[in-house]
Amino acid sequence: GIQVEQSPPDLILQEGANSTLRCNFSDSVNNLQWFHQNPWGQLINLFYIPSGTKQNGRLSATTVATERYSLLYISSSQTTDSGVYFCAVPRAGSARQLTFGSGTQLTVLP
Amino acid sequence: NAGVTQTPKFQVLKTGQSMTLQCAQDMNHNSMYWYRQDPGMGLRLIYYSASEGTTDKGEVPNGYNVSRLNKREFSLRLESAAPSQTSVYFCASSEAPAFRTGHNSPLHFGNGTRLTVT
Repeated sequence: GIQVEQSPPDLILQEGANSTLRCNFSDSVNNLQWFHQNPWGQLINLFYIPSGTKQNGRLSATTVATERYSLLYISSSQTTDSGVYFCAVPRAGSARQLTFGSGTQLTVLP
Repeated sequence: NAGVTQTPKFQVLKTGQSMTLQCAQDMNHNSMYWYRQDPGMGLRLIYYSASEGTTDKGEVPNGYNVSRLNKREFSLRLESAAPSQTSVYFCASSEAPAFRTGHNSPLHFGNGTRLTVT
């Protein structure tokens, strides 16, 4: 099946810093989703991004499907950005089944 | 809007006991899903229901059953709980994908159920 790799696995930032999280996938996909799991365990959908770039406040995401990667940018990070960031892509042959990466654990220090 | 609501939030079972996790969504979504999240294993799909009246196995269906009660509700049942089923369970929903293009749509999660089987 499709492989999804996220990097870095862990990231520690000072409040106000910028960061880039990466998601590589092993096969062509027609969409990709980014999620944030906060320290209380809630999973929030950040972006549904088949290709191109989307922005939502301080967060933006870019997917380059032809090169099989997506990037999540966090600017001017805040302590509330802490948590785990997951990317997910559809499994081959089943658009409804997503394969999740193992996540990037982000800690933003005050 | 409440979004996706799961009950209970926490549950402790003894090996062999049964229980049903409840899930309801108020977004008029067609598709609903059950995932489990384990340390080091990420999120894995247990079962899903593409539309009312249909259910399909996901990646790790063994030991579970599901019921799509109506468009809003999708329950997960453990008939005989085992310690290996200790996990955090998430229900999720999405609009049905466009069949022609195969695109799925944004996935929205409930707040999870933390289950411990002793």
